[in-house]
Amino acid sequence: EVQLLESGGGLVQPGGSLRLSCAASRFTFSNYAMSWVRQAPGKGLEWVSGISATGAGTYYADSVKGRFTISRDNSKNTLYLQMNSLRAEDTALYYCAKVYGGQGYYFDYWGQGTLVTVSS
Amino acid sequence: EIVLTQSPATLSLSPGERATLSCRASQSVNSYLAWYQQKPGQAPRLLMYDASSRATGIPARFSGSGSGTDFTLTISSLDPEDFAVYYCQQRTNWPLTFGGGTKVEIK
Repeated sequence: EVQLLESGGGLVQPGGSLRLSCAASRFTFSNYAMSWVRQAPGKGLEWVSGISATGAGTYYADSVKGRFTISRDNSKNTLYLQMNSLRAEDTALYYCAKVYGGQGYYFDYWGQGTLVTVSS
Repeated sequence: EIVLTQSPATLSLSPGERATLSCRASQSVNSYLAWYQQKPGQAPRLLMYDASSRATGIPARFSGSGSGTDFTLTISSLDPEDFAVYYCQQRTNWPLTFGGGTKVEIK
């Protein structure tokens, strides 16, 4: 079965940076678009960023545009999220999600998430 | 950005009852809408896509309908494992957006 394993979360001060990683296995990573979705404690889901299978296309929520950068290394089966200028409102569980085959940007597999806490 | 509004916020029902959840979009999303189920401490699970197509392995008691701006997820007979939070999501326009969720709780 598909596996997605996020890492890189932690406690960071406002204005700081973090880089999240998502190691993918048991599917042909280079064939699928991917996304990051976050969930603040006790709140709903918020899509953060997406990237096409080749990496040529990247997309961002307005709330993170200019601060976050999504990328991927298909040779390492890994998805990344570089997060700069972090704010308290970025505190959330960050999920890596795989796009559902040829059905467009729906998400059929999710990791268990990595927690990012932005606080002084 | 397309805003998705889910109602009701909470639905209190008993096992065996029918659940009807609503998702309304601020502009047309055609049929490009999905539904997810999330249980406490778990990642979301894709239930429906393109408004009315069940994802792989999803039981037939789940069904979806609608197009344009108004969508419905129906659970025909609630199983104890169905009590969870449900989210809708559109893929018509960037940025992708989710609704605020409907919690289906045991009455």
